[in-house]
Amino acid sequence: DGGITQSPKYLFRKEGQNVTLSCEQNLNHDAMYWYRQDPGQGLRLIYYSQIVNDFQKGDIAEGYSVSREKKESFPLTVTSAQKNPTAFYLCASQTTFLSNQPQHFGDGTRLSIL
Amino acid sequence: RKEVEQDPGPFNVPEGATVAFNCTYSNSASQSFFWYRQDCRKEPKLLMSVYSSGNEDGRFTAQLNRASQYISLLIRDSKLSDSATYLCVVNRANSGYALNFGKGTSLLVTP
Repeated sequence: DGGITQSPKYLFRKEGQNVTLSCEQNLNHDAMYWYRQDPGQGLRLIYYSQIVNDFQKGDIAEGYSVSREKKESFPLTVTSAQKNPTAFYLCASQTTFLSNQPQHFGDGTRLSIL
Repeated sequence: RKEVEQDPGPFNVPEGATVAFNCTYSNSASQSFFWYRQDCRKEPKLLMSVYSSGNEDGRFTAQLNRASQYISLLIRDSKLSDSATYLCVVNRANSGYALNFGKGTSLLVTP
C-alpha cells in the first residue's frame, strides 16, 4: 500500500543525546514536511523540503536538523540543543505536480525525555 | 493576528444534530483550503478540500468566503464517530506549498 511510514512510534531521549526520527514515503511525492504538535496546540512547521538535496527552515527549526538525500526519505534529527523536545512529531508529504494539493501524514512519533 | 483562527470549542452536540464550524485566515493571497480531522493522539487526516463554489461530501459541506476570508464546515446528522478535532488548513501563499494549520475545533457527539 502507498503511504508514509514514521518510525519509531515512541522514542525516549536522554540529556545531551541526539535522536533521529525516520520518515519514508512511497507516494512519489516531491515535497516533505516535519511538524511538531504539543498537547492542545496546533501543528508547527519545523523543516520542509520541496526537492531532493534542498530543504528550508520552518517556524521552529532551532535545535533540529534534516537531510533529503533521497526522494523517499526525510529524516529529522532532534539535537541536544533542543531543550524542550517532548512532543508528537508528524511527517507529511505532498505532490507538487498539481497546485492546491493537500498534505498526507504518517502516524507520528512521540518523543519524551528520560 | 494568527494566520488561521478557529474557535477551540468544545462543541457538545447530540447525535443527529447539525453543527457548523468557522475559521478565518489572514493572508488574502491564499489559494488552497482544507478541512482535516484529527482523532485523539492520532495524525491529522484529510476530510475535504474547500472550493470557491462550495462543495459537499455526504453529510459534510464546506464553504469559502474569500471576501471575508473565512471558511466553514457544516456537519449534518452527526454521528458518534464524528467526535474529533477539526483542523482548518490554508496554504502559505509565499512559502511554496507549505500549509498553515489552525489549532482545531473539538467536537463531541453524545448519544
